[in-house]
Amino acid sequence: DQQVKQNSPSLSVQEGRISILNCDYTNSMFDYFLWYKKYPAEGPTFLISISSIKDKNEDGRFTVFLNKSAKHLSLHIVPSQPGDSAVYFCAASSNFGNEKLTFGTGTRLTIIP
Amino acid sequence: KAGVTQTPRYLIKTRGQQVTLSCSPISGHRSVSWYQQTPGQGLQFLFEYFSETQRNKGNFPGRFSGRQFSNSRSEMNVSTLELGDSALYLCASSFGSGETQYFGPGTRLLVL
Repeated sequence: DQQVKQNSPSLSVQEGRISILNCDYTNSMFDYFLWYKKYPAEGPTFLISISSIKDKNEDGRFTVFLNKSAKHLSLHIVPSQPGDSAVYFCAASSNFGNEKLTFGTGTRLTIIP
Repeated sequence: KAGVTQTPRYLIKTRGQQVTLSCSPISGHRSVSWYQQTPGQGLQFLFEYFSETQRNKGNFPGRFSGRQFSNSRSEMNVSTLELGDSALYLCASSFGSGETQYFGPGTRLLVL
């Protein structure tokens, strides 16, 4: 049972435009959400996180939105840059303080110059 | 500050053998988690160690085990290797109280 879902396996966006990556979850116990970026042959790199007490968190070009009623989160990257081309994973954990992360299957983002 | 390091980076084993992978966390981090990444199953949580104790465990068979030393370094062991154990094994460290986990580059294991 996939508790964290990223329904778009790939996404292509023009350089300079906004990239929106989506993630849905089914476990209502999840209260902490993270986005990681992964290049081939490297480990995931932490991007941004959000706890369930917030609905938005912003860090530079990256903004994560959380809609708890819809069990949906999204990552906005603006403006998109060629270096953003990578696989993006959303992850979730429950009982804030629990190190066990449940990951989505990833979305491959390609930024077109 | 040095990141999470994993050794070896690549490993080839045959079915039935056993393997030990090593992870050195970021200095000051006391929690080490292990994940398996495969094309079919994605990133799956194996287990987490904090202060030498296993705190969380994923849904993997008993052939997968781990331990953590007093300096927070961790090892994971897979016994009686199967072809399906071929994967990228990732280690992540954190301070251990719901803090962000930082990943190492992984060990790519190929079982023939």
